[in-house]
Amino acid sequence: KNEVEQSPQNLTAQEGEFITINCSYSVGISALHWLQQHPGGGIVSLFMLSSGKKKHGRLIATINIQEKHSSLHITASHPRDSAVYICAVLASGSRLTFGEGTQLTVNP
Amino acid sequence: DAMVIQNPRYQVTQFGKPVTLSCSQTLNHNVMYWYQQKSSQAPKLLFHYYDKDFNNEADTPDNFQSRRPNTSFCFLDIRSPGLGDAAMYLCATSRELAGFGDTQYFGPGTRLTVL
Repeated sequence: KNEVEQSPQNLTAQEGEFITINCSYSVGISALHWLQQHPGGGIVSLFMLSSGKKKHGRLIATINIQEKHSSLHITASHPRDSAVYICAVLASGSRLTFGEGTQLTVNP
Repeated sequence: DAMVIQNPRYQVTQFGKPVTLSCSQTLNHNVMYWYQQKSSQAPKLLFHYYDKDFNNEADTPDNFQSRRPNTSFCFLDIRSPGLGDAAMYLCATSRELAGFGDTQYFGPGTRLTVL
């Protein structure tokens, strides 16, 4: 079993829909990252959080440390949001443990 | 302005022909990382440098080496690339090693093709 599990693996939405991607982890962590990776591209860090909620534009990330769960929400989704979204946790030292990613496709 | 720069963005090499990938950073961060990401898989940490201190992951093949001549630059050397080494190679940096508040900044990656 992976230490970091994401769901769903693939998600297709229509433009304008509200999107939720979930991440569960099984280890104690000091922080959790949400990352975005476009096809053929590098990784962009969207959020790093250790408690509560963060918002940046149409993106919202929440984390519940007790339940070892985080969600990434996208409001008013747009085709340019199509990408792989990766949850990664910072456990020991500086080593990030990555989830397998969620492939999001937003159709116009 | 780009903070973590990787060159080249695309690299094609022949089976067994050594190849070097380059990463530079303008952030003056202490830590630099190299990840390997194969298609549809999560990135896998190969090694990292804390300043000049090299830290190899236990399962990183000997075929992979790294050099960090100064704070700004870090190189990934693949001595004898095999077909299985075709992947995206991601460089990342962070200010310090431990604790939250030290987000990792990723470069755009170098996609390596082995013929």
